[in-house]
Amino acid sequence: EAGVAQSPRYKIIEKRQSVAFWCNPISGHATLYWYQQILGQGPKLLIQFQNNGVVDDSQLPKDRFSAERLKGVDSTLKIQPAKLEDSAVYLCASSLRVREKLFFGSGTQLSVL
Amino acid sequence: AQTVTQSQPEMSVQEAETVTLSCTYDTSESDYYLFWYKQPPSRQMILVIRQEAYKQQNATENRFSVNFQKAAKSFSLKISDSQLGDAAMYFCAPLGGQGAQKLVFGQGTRLTINP
Repeated sequence: EAGVAQSPRYKIIEKRQSVAFWCNPISGHATLYWYQQILGQGPKLLIQFQNNGVVDDSQLPKDRFSAERLKGVDSTLKIQPAKLEDSAVYLCASSLRVREKLFFGSGTQLSVL
Repeated sequence: AQTVTQSQPEMSVQEAETVTLSCTYDTSESDYYLFWYKQPPSRQMILVIRQEAYKQQNATENRFSVNFQKAAKSFSLKISDSQLGDAAMYFCAPLGGQGAQKLVFGQGTRLTINP
């Protein structure tokens, strides 16, 4: 079974630039999550999709972050403009349905200079 | 809102010995799940073990077992016969809540295995 795919693996940008991350969940998984993990901390949920609808985006900084999940399959997370404090690992996860085990991708490590 | 406390930022253990990682949480839910995830240097989070709150029996998975104390809201992870490959960050995470039912992670415990 193929896992959760994320790209790119690393990204370095300057502050005020824009960046996008891509995630392809496990086939058939209805629920998709984006987490932000700052160095030394546990992951924090940014947004949760159920199929192509948003279930929870309460911790997403909507003035600069946006996410979409077209056709209920793969998803894109965008930051525009980036700030220094956005430096983190961005993890994508999927599950068959809510309350099921989450499968995680390897993440994208973002460095904002 | 759920909160999670992992009071041990770092732990170390000799290979083949047993180690216990602690976790306490706070939730207003009566029906929820609890997870331990492992994060090696590769960054990928890997599920170690899962516990349903309505079950009194503690979950076990090979060398991994939990001590779930629902009234005390405590969920510790015991690793028996520690192996070098167990070295990683370990995160405790309750899953609950109506609607979104999101996974909330603790700060993590870094486990080192000494050969």
